[in-house]
Amino acid sequence: SQTIHQWPATLVQPVGSPLSLECTVEGTSNPNLYWYRQAAGRGLQLLFYSVGIGQISSEVPQNLSASRPQDRQFILSSKKLLLSDSGFYLCAWSHTSSFHNEQFFGPGTRLTVL
Amino acid sequence: AQSVSQHNHHVILSEAASLELGCNYSYGGTVNLFWYVQYPGQHLQLLLKYFSGDPLVKGIKGFEAEFIKSKFSFNLRKPSVQWSDTAEYFCAVNAANRDDKIIFGKGTRLHILP
Repeated sequence: SQTIHQWPATLVQPVGSPLSLECTVEGTSNPNLYWYRQAAGRGLQLLFYSVGIGQISSEVPQNLSASRPQDRQFILSSKKLLLSDSGFYLCAWSHTSSFHNEQFFGPGTRLTVL
Repeated sequence: AQSVSQHNHHVILSEAASLELGCNYSYGGTVNLFWYVQYPGQHLQLLLKYFSGDPLVKGIKGFEAEFIKSKFSFNLRKPSVQWSDTAEYFCAVNAANRDDKIIFGKGTRLHILP
């Protein structure tokens, strides 16, 4: 069966520090991968998605970036965190290169920037 | 571009009450529709989805949703809620023919009183 892992589960970082959140998927090949940010009362905001290794699409301009160095690994990064980067970050995957398929979500990372 | 509107941000009901959570979307073409649920401390997971066919869709845990194309709506219903239904519910849509990304609503937080 497929599983999705995210780490760390929680993170407290100072403003201006770098960020690296990791997401890995097991039990499937060539998944679509997604990074979302969930803020209270604002729903899920799609940040990045990837349909293959090295292929990243950005949905919102900001100081975050994403990379997909391996088929089942998706990394969310920042060189310098802002206070506004605080939030709950969710990674998700879907079976094929098709958006209408069900997305499976990871446990999330709660990031607090102080 | 598609958008999703969930009418209620926070709903409080007593056990055994009937539930209807509103969801409207804006897009003129063919859509796929989803309801996701996030129980406290758990991953976001799919509750039900509509792609085509019968507009009345049945999901897990006794939930159902009806797609009314003329009203651009996909309301979620359950005849008799339980305390364990306390969760946050997200409606989502994507443009089927364009195979576009899924757009999520801002969520409705449902609290069931025992």
